[in-house]
Amino acid sequence: DAGVIQSPRHEVTEMGQEVTLRCKPISGHDYLFWYRQTMMRGLELLIYFNNNVPIDDSGMPEDRFSAKMPNASFSTLKIQPSEPRDSAVYFCASSPQGDQYFGPGTRLLVL
Amino acid sequence: GQNIDQPTEMTATEGAIVQINCTYQTSGFNGLFWYQQHAGEAPTFLSYNVLDGLEEKGRFSSFLSRSKGYSYLLLKELQMKDSASYLCAVRDTAGNYGQNFVFGPGTRLSVLP
Repeated sequence: DAGVIQSPRHEVTEMGQEVTLRCKPISGHDYLFWYRQTMMRGLELLIYFNNNVPIDDSGMPEDRFSAKMPNASFSTLKIQPSEPRDSAVYFCASSPQGDQYFGPGTRLLVL
Repeated sequence: GQNIDQPTEMTATEGAIVQINCTYQTSGFNGLFWYQQHAGEAPTFLSYNVLDGLEEKGRFSSFLSRSKGYSYLLLKELQMKDSASYLCAVRDTAGNYGQNFVFGPGTRLSVLP
């Protein structure tokens, strides 16, 4: 298995633009998680899905953030409009129901 | 509320043993995890404890005391490649499905020759 795949690996955009991050989980994993990591706040859980259904989105910072999982092999995290404070590394992780397997992350810089 | 504490930084010598402590206060408990994260990379799973006691896995061991809200990660025979951040995470039972992971701030370990 190729592991969790994320794209793009790096994204530089200007304030106000829409940003879409993509994730392909490991086949057969029922859970998918989106995290954000910054130096100041560490690793924060944003939202997680079970069998494509959003279960807990209490970590989503505000309405500018949205996440979808249209099928078992694909999820997106969208920021619209983006702001400089959204600059961070965004990780996707999947899990069969135990330890999580993290993707390589998307390094986002909003200017 | 939810709170997880770890030392910010630690330094140890190659070949030595180091213990990284983690204390937690969460509304629920459904397991404690340790992850290793090298600079610029994703976290990778190291160990998992759900019952009290010691879990050993090669050079790495993890201990849990649920009554004290305390865990530690023990690294033996330190190698230079063990220089990384070590993240303690509690899986909270809050909400549906009990998969709400709360991560500590991480401990940056530097292994010196």
